[in-house]
Amino acid sequence: DSGVTQTPKHLITATGQRVTLRCSPRSGDLSVYWYQQSLDQGLQFLIQYYNGEERAKGNILERFSAQQFPDLHSELNLSSLELGDSALYFCASSVGGIGDEQFFGPGTRLTVL
Amino acid sequence: AQRVTQPEKLLSVFKGAPVELKCNYSYSGSPELFWYVQYSRQRLQLLLRHISRESIKGFTADLNKGETSFHLKKPFAQEEDSAMYYCALNPYNFNKFYFGSGTKLNVKP
Repeated sequence: DSGVTQTPKHLITATGQRVTLRCSPRSGDLSVYWYQQSLDQGLQFLIQYYNGEERAKGNILERFSAQQFPDLHSELNLSSLELGDSALYFCASSVGGIGDEQFFGPGTRLTVL
Repeated sequence: AQRVTQPEKLLSVFKGAPVELKCNYSYSGSPELFWYVQYSRQRLQLLLRHISRESIKGFTADLNKGETSFHLKKPFAQEEDSAMYYCALNPYNFNKFYFGSGTKLNVKP
């Protein structure tokens, strides 16, 4: 699959725990974006990385962190999880910066019990 | 502050009828605006962007800076247009990206 991939598809965990979501961008794309989609908040931009460096920051909580590795894959770490963190987390990638067409992954559904 | 507003959660039209999905934004500078679409069981994907000024699948959208709007229009809706549509904003000189809450378009036969 040459598109954006995300693992795992589903994740169920308990409050207070920590999880890591993984994203592999399309081949050739240098930017990776993370979004959170919850029922009451819609699609919220969290953070963008470009070629390993943080480029843009949205409504990302301090309990959340992300990084982009030299092979350009990215991980989103969510810690001290709360019930309200239950959501669909999307990753997207683009060739260049934030104004470029973004290609979305299938998402990871996180359920915090 | 809400940057992108899509006032309609659901829009139902009959096949062949014109459709307009509303999008208003709040930003005083030069915006870059997009429409993304998510068809059933598919990924979110770009439909069109204002700087390219092209028509995709019969859809057009014109940026109206006076009214701060970027409404999506199609003169004759097709059943395959049924999907979730999101308006999105990238304010120039700000490293942010904002999506609206989305409008579900249902085209009835």
